Amino acid sequence: DQQVKQNSPSLSVQEGRISILNCDYTNSMFDYFLWYKKYPAEGPTFLISISSIKDKNEDGRFTVFLNKSAKHLSLHIVPSQPGDSAVYFCAASAIASGTYKYIFGTGTRLKVLA
Amino acid sequence: GAVVSQHPSWVICKSGTSVKIECRSLDFQATTMFWYRQFPKQSLMLMATSNEGSKATYEQGVEKDKFLINHASLTLSTLTVTSAHPEDSSFYICSASKQGGGKNIQYFGAGTRLSVL
Repeated sequence: DQQVKQNSPSLSVQEGRISILNCDYTNSMFDYFLWYKKYPAEGPTFLISISSIKDKNEDGRFTVFLNKSAKHLSLHIVPSQPGDSAVYFCAASAIASGTYKYIFGTGTRLKVLA
Repeated sequence: GAVVSQHPSWVICKSGTSVKIECRSLDFQATTMFWYRQFPKQSLMLMATSNEGSKATYEQGVEKDKFLINHASLTLSTLTVTSAHPEDSSFYICSASKQGGGKNIQYFGAGTRLSVL
């Protein structure tokens, strides 16, 4: 049972436009969500996170939106740059239950076209 | 920042030998570290949670006698793949957890590619 899903395996966006990556989860115990960027043969790099008490968090070009009722979060990248091309993973954890492990989504490969 | 170093980055070994992978948090102390495995074009699968000073917690289906984890200090966790076989060939990634203030962020090492011949 996949508790965290990224239904789009890939996404292509023109440079300068907005990239929107989506993530859905099923476990209502999740209360902390993160986005990571990953290049091949490297470890993931932390981008941005959001607690379930918020519905939006912004950091530079990256904004994460959380819709708890829909159990959905999204990452917006504006403007998109060629260097943003990578695989993006969302992750969820349940801090309040005392566990700090993550459940990762399956990833979305973003390609930003110059 | 939060830097996690993982060593080696790439190792080739013969079937039946053991391989040790180190994971160090360089600029923070981590009571909890995690070990993941990633197959090509797939997500990161958690293998085990490594807690400083206590036994690791393994995920279902992960053989604890095959994947030995030691977390002897607040900055170092090691994963030893014992009696490695070709099916153990994979990309192994560690992370160190920074917790507090309602946040729970894992910082990842660069990964280790293991090839067992």
